[in-house]
Amino acid sequence: DSGVTQTPKHLITATGQRVTLRCSPRSGDLSVYWYQQSLDQGLQFLIQYYNGEERAKGNILERFSAQQFPDLHSELNLSSLELGDSALYFCASSPAGGAQTQYFGPGTRLLVL
Amino acid sequence: ILNVEQSPQSLHVQEGDSTNFTCSFPSSNFYALHWYRWETAKSPEALFVMTLNGDEKKKGRISATLNTKEGYSYLYIKGSQPEDSATYLCASRNNAGNMLTFGGGTRLMVKP
Repeated sequence: DSGVTQTPKHLITATGQRVTLRCSPRSGDLSVYWYQQSLDQGLQFLIQYYNGEERAKGNILERFSAQQFPDLHSELNLSSLELGDSALYFCASSPAGGAQTQYFGPGTRLLVL
Repeated sequence: ILNVEQSPQSLHVQEGDSTNFTCSFPSSNFYALHWYRWETAKSPEALFVMTLNGDEKKKGRISATLNTKEGYSYLYIKGSQPEDSATYLCASRNNAGNMLTFGGGTRLMVKP
């Protein structure tokens, strides 16, 4: 158990809908990262937050957004969902950034029908 | 954009065999190299983070080396056990940003 929690574990929804994925980092970790794992691709970095501020952005679609709250938990919002958004979404956390280890949560499996 | 590649894609070995796999990454602007172990239906588990050329890290029967000048890292498993069966991921970070770029992984299957 890495100490990172994610809810829900599974989510089934329809195209065009909007969902929110939630992540609680390890106690004391300030950085939160979001990754997407699709069937045909490896783990893709989406976005990083550090102590409430956006720190780095990867291949995140405009339909997706994220935020980190004062209690350091983070939410990833996915809107106007398409079939291709079906994937495993991981959250990871680290104490700060840099070369520190990122600890991964169990992931949320999203299925868009 | 970083391009991280791992080989082989998959590997079948017998229990007791030692094995190794490779991670290649762009050497320019290198900052850190991470190795993860990912079992099916679980989350990736951190193994090592390495930053310096020539770094060598060890955790039990698993060890890793790093060559930042030529852009590669090796992961070694000594005396493979069935419980070592997993996908081993490497990820590189350059000094231009905080993002990790992951390779496609090496899927290891150890037969008893």
